[in-house]
Amino acid sequence: DTGVSQDPRHKITKRGQNVTFRCDPISEHNRLYWYRQTLGQGPEFLTYFQNEAQLEKSRLLSDRFSAERPKGSFSTLEIQRTEQGDSAMYLCASSLSTGPIYFGEGSWLTVV
Amino acid sequence: GDSVTQMEGPVTLSEEAFLTINCTYTATGYPSLFWYVQYPGEGLQLLLKATKADDKGSNKGFEATYRKETTSFHLEKGSVQVSDSAVYFCVLSDLVSWGKLQFGAGTQVVVTP
Repeated sequence: DTGVSQDPRHKITKRGQNVTFRCDPISEHNRLYWYRQTLGQGPEFLTYFQNEAQLEKSRLLSDRFSAERPKGSFSTLEIQRTEQGDSAMYLCASSLSTGPIYFGEGSWLTVV
Repeated sequence: GDSVTQMEGPVTLSEEAFLTINCTYTATGYPSLFWYVQYPGEGLQLLLKATKADDKGSNKGFEATYRKETTSFHLEKGSVQVSDSAVYFCVLSDLVSWGKLQFGAGTQVVVTP
């Protein structure tokens, strides 16, 4: 399978714990994006990378959130001190420059 | 800022009926427009796209035409199947911030046998 893969697919965590999601983009895609989707809503942009450089961050991305793409390949999204409001699906997507954007199946986070 | 408005769902149809989902957008530049589909329990899939005015995107029997004069990108399918039941998102991306997608709220479509 050469699509965008995300891990884990589901995560349940207690409030205050840290969680990390991993995204492996389509091979050779230089752009990688993170989105958040809550039930009944469209996805909202969080941040994106071109190669290893993080080019833009949404104001939705509070200081508890950090994303990295250290070698320009896979990316991680870490949420520190999780809150119940962080419960959502976290989507990763990738593209080759300004080509079509392909999404992974998402990582569901439930904060209890 | 840029935004997308699409018709609210759910839209319930019988098999073989005609489907239209209205979508209008607001943008300062010349965006590219997309329709993404999300089947139950699955991720988002790109359904079709159009990158400039009067372009028609098509895929799997679905069509949408980029209308700059009416700032619209309505999705249509002539004969829906039960397997078309899903949530459909109208999406916009500016070329300058490619990939910073602006999604509509989504329209759930339910097709009954």
